[in-house]
Amino acid sequence: TQLLEQSPQFLSIQEGENLTVYCNSSSVFSSLQWYRQEPGEGPVLLVTVVTGGEVKKLKRLTFQFGDARKDSSLHITAAQPGDTGLYLCAGKNGGATNKLIFGTGTLLAVQP
Amino acid sequence: NAGVTQTPKFRILKIGQSMTLQCTQDMNHNYMYWYRQDPGMGLKLIYYSVGAGITDKGEVPNGYNVSRSTTEDFPLRLELAAPSQTSVYFCASSYSLYDYSEAFFGQGTRLTVV
Repeated sequence: TQLLEQSPQFLSIQEGENLTVYCNSSSVFSSLQWYRQEPGEGPVLLVTVVTGGEVKKLKRLTFQFGDARKDSSLHITAAQPGDTGLYLCAGKNGGATNKLIFGTGTLLAVQP
Repeated sequence: NAGVTQTPKFRILKIGQSMTLQCTQDMNHNYMYWYRQDPGMGLKLIYYSVGAGITDKGEVPNGYNVSRSTTEDFPLRLELAAPSQTSVYFCASSYSLYDYSEAFFGQGTRLTVV
């Protein structure tokens, strides 16, 4: 069974602070996605990373895929209250079915 | 512009009852998934389907069944509901299995078993 562990599990910060969320596994993934989920809604895709070492930026969010494709990180610069939500990493395991396996989640609260 | 639609949004079941969670998508996606999410946690894959007539087990299939008779619909059946099945259930679909393919989610069904 492939597992994706996220840390921290909960994070409460003040507006303007920076933060990093980690997504780690002992398994190799063919790609990794980050989703954001708001209360009462389903997850929505933020980004997909495919190549080991790949870095993608989405405004104040920076995503990195580890060189060995076993881990990823999400860095938010100058967090805003609108960034509040549950952040989920999800890895695709390759092969014929390439199923999406979700991480344990990081709940972020940004206080104004 | 409906995307993935789940019904009902909320349901309370008594222990031992059964029910079907409905999921339909209008994007003509071949791939569909059922996940469950416990409070503040990630999603666990229950069942998935790669096309009409083809389904397979995910990480946590026990206590659930699925069918896929059409491309659009992917119902999830709970037999003999148990308190451990209290959770929020999400249905999702995707166009392909390729790495860049995005999963589109419904709004979820919040199920409580008492």
